[in-house]
Amino acid sequence: GALVYQYPRRTICKSGTSMRMECQAVGFQATSVAWYRQSPQKTFELIALSTVNSAIKYEQNFTQEKFPISHPNLSFSSMTVLNAYLEDRGLYLCGAREWGGQNTLYFGAGTRLSVL
Amino acid sequence: GDSVTQTEGQVTVSESKSLIINCTYSATSIAYPNLFWYVRYPGEGLQLLLKVITAGQKGSSRGFEATYNKETTSFHLQKASVQESDSAVYYCALSERDTNAYKVIFGKGTHLHVLP
Repeated sequence: GALVYQYPRRTICKSGTSMRMECQAVGFQATSVAWYRQSPQKTFELIALSTVNSAIKYEQNFTQEKFPISHPNLSFSSMTVLNAYLEDRGLYLCGAREWGGQNTLYFGAGTRLSVL
Repeated sequence: GDSVTQTEGQVTVSESKSLIINCTYSATSIAYPNLFWYVRYPGEGLQLLLKVITAGQKGSSRGFEATYNKETTSFHLQKASVQESDSAVYYCALSERDTNAYKVIFGKGTHLHVLP
């Protein structure tokens, strides 16, 4: 079946430092990877969509300068939170769409970021 | 804009009793939205529970079911007899039908607590 793994599951970083999180698709080819964030007391917000061989599309309020994303192949993507501050804390989810599949995202367990 | 509204906060139900979690949607920019229910068990990521892509049809999984009602713009989640293992957070969501679409709009989540 289609599985998505995220690493690390939890991380703590000091205010002003950066943190990189990874997303691995197993059992299918992930042509598109969407990164979401769930801040405390909020629902999931889309940060950006990364599609292999296409430019990464960032949603309003999120920028490449703050959340650079790498998507080098059909099974792996990473995102970095640069200069993390308190408002960046939350659960970051990676959702991968199966190549040629229906409109369904398979999500990983997320990376929970705490900022001190 | 496009949005999803669902029963907020926590719902507490005794084991073997019936459950309904309300969900209504607004899809002003999406002509034919796909509708989903995702579930997040403690310590795990989002899992797709069920999806329906055609108005009037019903989706079902693990005893849960939801009917895509275009007239009332609703997609309520129901289960006839809940189990303690159903305790989790449930998210109603919608997205575009286009297979290249990626933007999933989530509700705020409903925390189901099943009493033994």
